Amino acid sequence: AQSVSQHNHHVILSEAASLELGCNYSYGGTVNLFWYVQYPGQHLQLLLKYFSGDPLVKGIKGFEAEFIKSKFSFNLRKPSVQWSDTAEYFCAGTGANNLFFGTGTRLTVIP
Amino acid sequence: DTGVSQNPRHKITKRGQNVTFRCDPISEHNRLYWYRQTLGQGPEFLTYFQNEAQLEKSRLLSDRFSAERPKGSFSTLEIQRTEQGDSAMYLCASSFGPGGYTFGSGTRLTVV
Repeated sequence: AQSVSQHNHHVILSEAASLELGCNYSYGGTVNLFWYVQYPGQHLQLLLKYFSGDPLVKGIKGFEAEFIKSKFSFNLRKPSVQWSDTAEYFCAGTGANNLFFGTGTRLTVIP
Repeated sequence: DTGVSQNPRHKITKRGQNVTFRCDPISEHNRLYWYRQTLGQGPEFLTYFQNEAQLEKSRLLSDRFSAERPKGSFSTLEIQRTEQGDSAMYLCASSFGPGGYTFGSGTRLTVV
């Protein structure tokens, strides 16, 4: 079955710490993967996406993710987080006709 | 604002009442999606339109739920005989082809 899983439910970091949020996918065929962010009270916003090509994808706000096919992973990284990065982060993949999401990781950044 | 627009932002209804939500997608997007998001969960797919045709429905979409997209523009999602378990955020997204999904701010439904 097509799915993505996020194992970190809540991550708490201090400002300037490095971030890595895990995402594993499980499906065959063409792999299209996304990371979305949802700031408190706001709508989902696309951080970055991978369709093909360079497995290291750069996104907005200094985020990046690396597609590692051998590990079925697409982890999100940021070298130095800021208080404003406090939000919910969702990994997602595309099925035939829709986008399916992981359960999300809540990131809290302490000033 | 040329993003995806959803109305109303909030809806409180009594159990058993019918509710209808509206989504206005980005005008050049031919695909429209409805999702439901409950607290602590990722969005769950409900249904998908390509132009005016409803091409896929999740089994989450019980017979109390119906969605339409007349003329391939805006879409409505109706829930009949609401139940407390229907309380959630209902999200709409649109895209032109696969990928590049843009989400609206959602309609938060509370059934009391």
